[in-house]
Amino acid sequence: EAQVTQNPRYLITVTGKKLTVTCSQNMNHEYMSWYRQDPGLGLRQIYYSMNVEVTDKGDVPEGYKVSRKEKRNFPLILESPSPNQTSLYFCASSLSGDIPNYGYTFGSGTRLTVV
Amino acid sequence: AQKVTQAQTEISVVEKEDVTLDCVYETRDTTYYLFWYKQPPSGELVFLIRRNSFDEQNEISGRYSWNFQKSTSSFNFTITASQVVDSAVYFCALSDVSGGFKTIFGAGTRLFVKA
Repeated sequence: EAQVTQNPRYLITVTGKKLTVTCSQNMNHEYMSWYRQDPGLGLRQIYYSMNVEVTDKGDVPEGYKVSRKEKRNFPLILESPSPNQTSLYFCASSLSGDIPNYGYTFGSGTRLTVV
Repeated sequence: AQKVTQAQTEISVVEKEDVTLDCVYETRDTTYYLFWYKQPPSGELVFLIRRNSFDEQNEISGRYSWNFQKSTSSFNFTITASQVVDSAVYFCALSDVSGGFKTIFGAGTRLFVKA
C-alpha cells in the first residue's frame, strides 16, 4: 500500500531532551516536507526536501533540523525541544515539488507535547 | 507574496443542505496550483483536488464541486446534499513558482453537518 509512515503517533517529552520523529514513504517520491498544525494557523511548513541531500527551510524552521540521506526517509529532529514546539506534526510527500505539483500524500501525524 | 484566506472559521449545516467553503488566494505568479484537503475527526489529511492556474474549468466529483475563478482569485468548494461524514476541517492550499513551490495552507474551515 502506498503510504507515508510517521512514528511515533504520540510523544510526551521534557524540555531540552533531543527527539527524532521518523518519516518514511514507499512511493519513490522526490519531494518530502514537514508541517506543523496549530489551532487557527492551519499548516505551516517547517522544512522541505526536493530530493536526496537537498533540503531547505520552510516558514517556521527555528528549533528543527532535518536530513535526507535516502530518498524514502526524512526525519525531523528537535535538538532541544521547548514547550512552544508542542503541536501536531505531519510529514508529506509528493512525486515532485516542481512543475507540475501533484499534491501531497500525508502521514498520520505525530502529536508532540513538550512539558 | 503568497497568501491563502479561508474566512469561514466554522460552518454548521443540517444534513442534505448544500454548503460552500470559500477560499481566496494571493499570488503574483501566472503559474500556480491550488488544492483542497480534508481532515476528518480522525486527524489524517486527505488530498481532494488539484487545479492548475491554466485550467479554469469547474470540476465535479460526485457531491463535491469546485469553482475556480481567476478574476476574483477564488477557488471555492461546494458540497451538495451534505452528509454527516462530511464533517471535517477543510484546507485550501496554494503552490506557486515564486514561493519555490512551497505549498502554503489556509487556516482551515471546520464543517459540522448535523443529522
